[in-house]
Amino acid sequence: GNSVTQMEGPVTLSEEAFLTINCTYTATGYPSLFWYVQYPGEGLQLLLKATKADDKGSNKGFEATYRKETTSFHLEKGSVQVSDSAVYFCAPLAQGGSEKLVFGKGTKLTVNP
Amino acid sequence: GAGVSQSPRYKVAKRGQDVALRCDPISGHVSLFWYQQALGQGPEFLTYFQNEAQLDKSGLPSDRFFAERPEGSVSTLKIQRTQQEDSAVYLCASSLRSNEQFFGPGTRLTVL
Repeated sequence: GNSVTQMEGPVTLSEEAFLTINCTYTATGYPSLFWYVQYPGEGLQLLLKATKADDKGSNKGFEATYRKETTSFHLEKGSVQVSDSAVYFCAPLAQGGSEKLVFGKGTKLTVNP
Repeated sequence: GAGVSQSPRYKVAKRGQDVALRCDPISGHVSLFWYQQALGQGPEFLTYFQNEAQLDKSGLPSDRFFAERPEGSVSTLKIQRTQQEDSAVYLCASSLRSNEQFFGPGTRLTVL
């Protein structure tokens, strides 16, 4: 089945710094890929997605590109804000059956002013 | 429109008690998922419904866990004879076929 390895946290950055959170996955075939975000005290929200190789998902200044060759889906943002402080989860969609999400352990990001 | 709602938001149970957690999905969403999120971890899949049919229950950790969605809308996750290791946040998500999953706020279960 699918599995995902996500960059260990916590990550602490200053405002306006560049952010990269690495994510690699193992899967048969080419699953859709998702990044979810969990703000303090809130539920999971979809941040962005990509459904096929070389697709770039983007939202709120965040981007991630579906790299088939390296089975990666790294999350990037050029200039983080304090409001980006949250836990970020990478998740491929399982194939052939229940279409469940397979989540990484999450990366906690703290952005300081 | 309204998002996914879950109730109760918090539940404290004594070890050995039965609990029932409710999920109201987004209207019209065919698929419904339950996940368990332990403290500091990512959510882990429990079970999946397509309409009223439970198509995958491979993630349920034991036969004390039971889920149903009798009319293809509201779902209930029941845990019998709760144990301390059942303490977690239980997340419900719904989706249209093959689309992104929308999550509810979760129910935080604490078993004493």
